[in-house]
Amino acid sequence: DAKTTQPTSMDCAEGRAANLPCNHSTISGNEYVYWYRQIHSQGPQYIIHGLKNNETNEMASLIITEDRKSSTLILPHATLRDTAVYYCIVFTGGGNKLTFGTGTQLKVEL
Amino acid sequence: SAVISQKPSRDICQRGTSLTIQCQVDSQVTMMFWYRQQPGQSLTLIATANQGSEATYESGFVIDKFPISRPNLTFSTLTVSNMSPEDSSIYLCSVLGQGWGKNIQYFGAGTRLSVL
Repeated sequence: DAKTTQPTSMDCAEGRAANLPCNHSTISGNEYVYWYRQIHSQGPQYIIHGLKNNETNEMASLIITEDRKSSTLILPHATLRDTAVYYCIVFTGGGNKLTFGTGTQLKVEL
Repeated sequence: SAVISQKPSRDICQRGTSLTIQCQVDSQVTMMFWYRQQPGQSLTLIATANQGSEATYESGFVIDKFPISRPNLTFSTLTVSNMSPEDSSIYLCSVLGQGWGKNIQYFGAGTRLSVL
């Protein structure tokens, strides 16, 4: 699976949009971009995934560049409850192996 | 999404003993996974458990240390055998979603294990 690079940490003011970047320059054509988050002391929570088109659901939006070498997860109105470690993962989906990197620690503050 | 229940949620165990962790899902699933998260670290896959077949272990993990059972499509257990303090971690069960969520893995809340 392709490797991803994320910033170690980010801060965001409550109510503002949180934009979390991810680089995946070696992504292959059959690999999706997945985002999970892990709130302290909980299991990872699925957020969103996409192949090449931008995606939006009730939690977030995923913007994937045209060359698919990077993506951005957008939380449109961050709240304190969004404070978590966010993992960007590229993999082929289904029952294949999910490889978690170190992720981005997002801290949402008042 | 699938509802996943893990038991126990946490435990403190003595060195040399074994602990069995249970994972129950509210619907039938084909694939289940067991992960370990060591303190301050990210998640690492231990093994994949499919019903009716032997679990497939990742490099660095062996069946004698982490035996897994998968008796039916809604249940699995992971045993941490002959524990040492290095086994202190969070152990997480994950399942592959069905239907619309077929490309999504869902996670339980985890079992926090401390070995003295």
